[in-house]
Amino acid sequence: SSELTQDPAVSVALGQSVRITCRGDSLRDYHATWYQQRPGQAPLLVIYGENNRPSGIPDRFSGSSSGDTASLTIIGAQAEDEAVYYCNSRDNRGNHLRVFGGGTRLTVL
Amino acid sequence: QLQLQESGPGLLKPSETLSLTCTVSGGSIRSSSHYWGWIRQAPGKGLEWIGSIHYSGGTYDNPPLQSRLSISIDTSRNQFSLRLTSVTAADAAVYYCAREGVLGGAWYFDLWGRGTLVSVSS
Repeated sequence: SSELTQDPAVSVALGQSVRITCRGDSLRDYHATWYQQRPGQAPLLVIYGENNRPSGIPDRFSGSSSGDTASLTIIGAQAEDEAVYYCNSRDNRGNHLRVFGGGTRLTVL
Repeated sequence: QLQLQESGPGLLKPSETLSLTCTVSGGSIRSSSHYWGWIRQAPGKGLEWIGSIHYSGGTYDNPPLQSRLSISIDTSRNQFSLRLTSVTAADAAVYYCAREGVLGGAWYFDLWGRGTLVSVSS
């Protein structure tokens, strides 16, 4: 399958933890990549590979996976984490296609 | 520090051809371990992968766009380009170029341009 499914919206209280999920058959074979997009800005890579953070991404962001579901967890959410989060993966039908999830809007209350 | 910058016309008429260029600065586009990709985002919508190209010329295209799409690379200018024919209102979007790396077989876009808005109107 070439589809990745995300919940449209999630909310979290300031300082609390939140998990954003991404489901798709390709995630059984390939790790998800996670991007943060704030309004009016380009997406920003936050997690790639099994659980790798680019330089500059706070360690409160982490990634994990189980079966066909990948998760992005934020421990101690901050106001600046309010954004839309997209997952991305490679299609697992051997055709090297890339696919994005529909995005999850995170609101920090 | 490597940077990417999109350029091209911001307004097209239906049926015209969209041509965008991404200029890579601060580093070489001739990287064997990277692809260079195009992603677009329609107003208020999510991200859509358009296609990716390697400096050797190898490309991968999103099937729904394949018949109208051409992605090319010019290593002498450190640029890669997108050409999309017969545009319609559905092609109106912010178009991003990005560098793509790979880890464990999974691709990821680690550096993005700021994006360029393309509108389609008669």
